[in-house]
Amino acid sequence: AAGVIQSPRHLIKEKRETATLKCYPISRHDTVYWYQQGPGQDPQFLISFYEKMQSDKGSIPDRFSAQQFSDYHSELNMSSLELGDSALYFCASSSWTSPEQYFGPGTRLTVT
Amino acid sequence: QKEVEQDPGPLSVPEGAIVSLNCTYSNSAFQYFMWYRQYSRKGPELLMYTYSSGNKEDGRFTAQVDKSSKYISLFIRDSQPSDSATYLCAMSENSGGGADGLTFGKGTHLIIQP
Repeated sequence: AAGVIQSPRHLIKEKRETATLKCYPISRHDTVYWYQQGPGQDPQFLISFYEKMQSDKGSIPDRFSAQQFSDYHSELNMSSLELGDSALYFCASSSWTSPEQYFGPGTRLTVT
Repeated sequence: QKEVEQDPGPLSVPEGAIVSLNCTYSNSAFQYFMWYRQYSRKGPELLMYTYSSGNKEDGRFTAQVDKSSKYISLFIRDSQPSDSATYLCAMSENSGGGADGLTFGKGTHLIIQP
């Protein structure tokens, strides 16, 4: 079965620009999560969605927003980008009834 | 103090050795415990998932959880050079109707010497 799909895989933006990352969960998974992983750091949880509703919230900056659509895919919108936003952004998906989260390959965001 | 503590290593062992990786945590509400393997610049790959205390075995991997000590372990038997990667422990408080984010350890960089 296909895994979690993320696009784009690489993104270069300048400071103060906006970026949109997309995530397509594993088939029949209804819950998506977003994580940020800085260089040499562990993944930090940002936000999660179930059935298009925000389910849990972590350390997501106010400049970031996310949503989940009726086909369960999700988008992370990032505005007023800062140099410190440069990181790997992972999406994970699961079934609502299971804690097992499966991660995508990530989007590498570079802010210059 | 971070909620989940994990020795970053590096941990270097010869091929065929038994590897022991560990994490401690402070949040007694954690109920679900996972181990992920991450190769450089790749997404974390789920290896093992355990609920509450106890052992779980899957092939060469064994996960142990001791909630009374707030201590979890991952054992890798007959280690192979392809096991060289960063191993991350991760935990969450709730599931079965929840979508809690995971809290990760810093990860242990494991090197298996051929």
